[in-house]
Amino acid sequence: RKEVEQDPGPFNVPEGATVAFNCTYSNSASQSFFWYRQDCRKEPKLLMSVYSSGNEDGRFTAQLNRASQYISLLIRDSKLSDSATYLCVGGTNYGGSQGNLIFGKGTKLSVKP
Amino acid sequence: EAGVAQSPRYKIIEKRQSVAFWCNPISGHATLYWYQQILGQGPKLLIQFQNNGVVDDSQLPKDRFSAERLKGVDSTLKIQPAKLEDSAVYLCASSFPTSGGLSSYNEQFFGPGTRLTVL
Repeated sequence: RKEVEQDPGPFNVPEGATVAFNCTYSNSASQSFFWYRQDCRKEPKLLMSVYSSGNEDGRFTAQLNRASQYISLLIRDSKLSDSATYLCVGGTNYGGSQGNLIFGKGTKLSVKP
Repeated sequence: EAGVAQSPRYKIIEKRQSVAFWCNPISGHATLYWYQQILGQGPKLLIQFQNNGVVDDSQLPKDRFSAERLKGVDSTLKIQPAKLEDSAVYLCASSFPTSGGLSSYNEQFFGPGTRLTVL
């Protein structure tokens, strides 16, 4: 069973649309969660952290539901430049020291004019 | 500020050959990671170093893969001998170590990766 599962898409949306990505995780050891963005043939880059209280950064909103083991990312007013693969990520900590990241397969978003 | 450096950027080899990748982390980052990203998948951790010590190598195929970080700064990842299924992008990442606590987590910064093709 995959530890972090995402719908691979692709999601094809027009500019200005609102799009939502969902992700579930199965590893209860994951304590921290993130969304990373990866452009074609580029390295992943941190988009935002995810908190139970919700986290908003401009047009992007991330939410964590620990009871359901569910993570979401909402993008409002989509721009052409939002086209990328969005990776749902769980982080584990080992006894207080930083652990490692567990990545989902990614959801591909394509924003069209 | 300089980012994570990796070389080479591309490598094409035949199966059963050997290959080595190099990574230089961001200055001051004690934690270094090697990930393997197969096409269509998310990155998968191969090995994590804290300074020159291994923190986690549970997913490293140790019969053919090896990695070292002898002086606690730059690192090399080696595959010997390579198989067709090793074709992937090998990503190096680095971060500051955390001060501890279950919720503490520092951002990992990734290098551009080395794209390996095994024929």
